[in-house]
Amino acid sequence: GDSVTQMEGPVTLSEEAFLTINCTYTATGYPSLFWYVQYPGEGLQLLLKATKADDKGSNKGFEATYRKETTSFHLEKGSVQVSDSAVYFCALRVRAQKLVFGQGTRLTINP
Amino acid sequence: DTEVTQTPKHLVMGMTNKKSLKCEQHMGHRAMYWYKQKAKKPPELMFVYSYEKLSINESVPSRFSPECPNSSLLNLHLHALQPEDSALYLCASSASSGVISYEQYFGPGTRLTVT
Repeated sequence: GDSVTQMEGPVTLSEEAFLTINCTYTATGYPSLFWYVQYPGEGLQLLLKATKADDKGSNKGFEATYRKETTSFHLEKGSVQVSDSAVYFCALRVRAQKLVFGQGTRLTINP
Repeated sequence: DTEVTQTPKHLVMGMTNKKSLKCEQHMGHRAMYWYKQKAKKPPELMFVYSYEKLSINESVPSRFSPECPNSSLLNLHLHALQPEDSALYLCASSASSGVISYEQYFGPGTRLTVT
């Protein structure tokens, strides 16, 4: 079945460090891929998306490229801030309406 | 306006109570969703409404009863819940339920505690 695997957290970095959160997927068909972020005590916010191979999604300094050959959608940011501390979820959508989420990666940025 | 609102923010209920969660969006979206999220876990899909009709029920126990009175509103009626039903309940909406991958917009959630 369709599934998403994220790197296990928690991840702790210093401010201005480079961030990579790995995400790989298994899917039949051609999924759309998403990164969502959940700040403490809040719902999920869409961070970025990509709908076909080689698409790059970007938002707020975060980027992820849809790599069909490696079935990956790794999240990157060049210089993280304390305000980026949150839980990040990678997700895919193959069938209409249904999102399949990874387990989430908790990120903590220290000043 | 890309906002999905949910009320109440917090709810404590006993196992014999009946309560309802409410969700509202004014983005003109025609697909609405209920998710359940346990601590330190990803959201799990419960129900999907498409054009005000129930299109997906992920084998959710009957003590959870969804309702979509109109295209902007989504309710989740709760009755005879168990303590293990304590979780964050998230509502989401999207522009369409079709094959095009419109993103889902999530509300802030209702944190439910069953005592």
